[in-house]
Amino acid sequence: QKEVEQDPGPLSVPEGAIVSLNCTYSNSAFQYFMWYRQYSRKGPELLMYTYSSGNKEDGRFTAQVDKSSKYISLFIRDSQPSDSATYLCAMSAGAQKLVFGQGTRLTINP
Amino acid sequence: GAVVSQHPSRVICKSGTSVKIECRSLDFQATTMFWYRQFPKQSLMLMATSNEGSKATYEQGVEKDKFLINHASLTLSTLTVTSAHPEDSSFYICSAIQTGLAASDTQYFGPGTRLTVL
Repeated sequence: QKEVEQDPGPLSVPEGAIVSLNCTYSNSAFQYFMWYRQYSRKGPELLMYTYSSGNKEDGRFTAQVDKSSKYISLFIRDSQPSDSATYLCAMSAGAQKLVFGQGTRLTINP
Repeated sequence: GAVVSQHPSRVICKSGTSVKIECRSLDFQATTMFWYRQFPKQSLMLMATSNEGSKATYEQGVEKDKFLINHASLTLSTLTVTSAHPEDSSFYICSAIQTGLAASDTQYFGPGTRLTVL
């Protein structure tokens, strides 16, 4: 079993829809949770950073962490075609080493 | 802020040659940098952790004699792929952690280097 599980998709939704992306994990030591966006042939770009459980909102993006269920989510409201990318969840136990999910390929259709 | 650059962005080389990839933190100091490899449609796999002034720590299964890492300054780490073979063709990405930043697990990634070995 992988430490971090993420559905690779692909996920295709119409413009303006709410997108929900999720990851589950098995290591209860993870405390830092991140979402990265990666466009084709580019490096990952940090979108959201959360420590421990709770919600965090930044513009159209909301990150949720439920440590009791070992489940994290990223919600994108009013999705735009420019949001089309691969979204990677990543987490760490505090030793700086990140463990990534497989990434979900998302396409927003105009 | 927190910009990481990589050079070159793309390299094509013949089998058996060595290739050096540079990773620079442009507007911050980075005591720790990381090197990842990413195959098509797959996630990032950590290869090694590079600490300024000391030897790199390699992940299990990564050959340290094949992937030489040097982190000689707080803004530069280099990865040299020695005697490259076609199976080394991949997307190599570095990341850096800003020294002294409270959120010490925030990694900033470079744009990646696509290596093709013929």
